[in-house]
Amino acid sequence: NAGVMQNPRHLVRRRGQEARLRCSPVKGHSHVYWYRQLPEEGLKFMVYLQKENIIDESGMPKERFSAEFPKEGPSILRIQQVVRGDSAAYFCASSTGNTGELFFGEGSRLTVL
Amino acid sequence: GQQLNQSPQSMFIQEGEDVSMNCTSSSIFNTWLWYKQDPGEGPVLLIALYKAGELTSNGRLTAQFGITRKDSFLNISASIPSDVGIYFCAGQLISNAGKSTFGDGTTLTVKP
Repeated sequence: NAGVMQNPRHLVRRRGQEARLRCSPVKGHSHVYWYRQLPEEGLKFMVYLQKENIIDESGMPKERFSAEFPKEGPSILRIQQVVRGDSAAYFCASSTGNTGELFFGEGSRLTVL
Repeated sequence: GQQLNQSPQSMFIQEGEDVSMNCTSSSIFNTWLWYKQDPGEGPVLLIALYKAGELTSNGRLTAQFGITRKDSFLNISASIPSDVGIYFCAGQLISNAGKSTFGDGTTLTVKP
């Protein structure tokens, strides 16, 4: 009865390094969403993927950020050449696609030194 | 883009008191959702509302989808210590798309 699984839970990177965040959705869910949360703020939409396709990436910065959800394996959010402003909690959520109800993972907390 | 104004930002109440929080938007949404987030965890869905005017309960929680489609409120009755956390409203323009706009949250503290 696994929910959304995210790893790593915590990640520390130095400026200029790459960060890779992984998300395995609820079994049977083919829709994945990535959100970003800064302290004391709500979640900000980044990208919506449905198996192998990016449906909406309007919230994701055009540079350095990319996301994928391959046919096999977890969804990956990749941040290249990280900067201090990338420090945040990144949450993945999944859904069946039939409703707007999202099931969230526990988040990956990125700290950029 | 769409923005949600959630209020109050924080609340400090005594155990047993009722709580009310709300969200307003300058544009309409077709779905309103309320989530709770505990420290270090991801948000958990509490209530989903799909029709204007809809009033839905989940135990001690009651939420309403405003008739104008631009607002929603959440009430918690007879609060208990485990109600502590951050409550977020979220609106969706397309009901099954999952892309949500979140409010900045209401932090609830319950004193025993």
